[in-house]
Amino acid sequence: QSVLTQPPSASGTPGQRVTISCSGSSSNVGSYYVYWYQQLPGTAPKLLIYRNNQRPSGVPDRISGSKSGTSASLAISGLRSEDEADYYCAAWDDSLSGPYVFGTGTKVTVL
Amino acid sequence: QLVESGGGLVQPGGSLRLSCAASGFPFSTYTMNWVRQAPGKGLEWVSYISSSGSTIYYADSVKGRFTISRDNAKNSLYLQMHSLRAEDTAVYYCASSAPYIAFEYWGQGTLVTVSS
Repeated sequence: QSVLTQPPSASGTPGQRVTISCSGSSSNVGSYYVYWYQQLPGTAPKLLIYRNNQRPSGVPDRISGSKSGTSASLAISGLRSEDEADYYCAAWDDSLSGPYVFGTGTKVTVL
Repeated sequence: QLVESGGGLVQPGGSLRLSCAASGFPFSTYTMNWVRQAPGKGLEWVSYISSSGSTIYYADSVKGRFTISRDNAKNSLYLQMHSLRAEDTAVYYCASSAPYIAFEYWGQGTLVTVSS
């Protein structure tokens, strides 16, 4: 079950900035790195952000991540049509039987 | 690159074995995971295995029914699934993790459908 809460949807027009939140607790987001993934329709997820705010090579710098306390955020600046996708956060969690937990997911729509 | 195989249609209570073939990276040094996604739903972490295979975790939803394993000599990851239920229907992805880089690379997924 997901213990990281994300808004179900977010939207913006091309060029705008969109922010997605990821709310957790002291057993996950508050104590460990947060990761973000993009899933385009019909494809596998792709790593966007690791260690809270690091971008893998190939991910543009208009994509950024941040964390404060038990919440994290993903920001997409200069929104483009190709950003329309589902976005998931994830973190290590030490309160469950397994190490990882995903967020509930956010569908980003480019209007 | 990660390539899953072994998915298909299976009856409730049946078994299935998924495989994930890795190439292009030092498989034996990476932890590996299975992650699933039910139709129209979000991502659910299923199982984790350390690089040596000595540390294994399962989600509560599959504990006692699924077994993760790996063969570093063959650069392969496996998921043996028993007592399958309708709620196990999902696309199953294998995903590699480097130190402090969770789910760095993903396979394309394999669909498991549990239905009579």
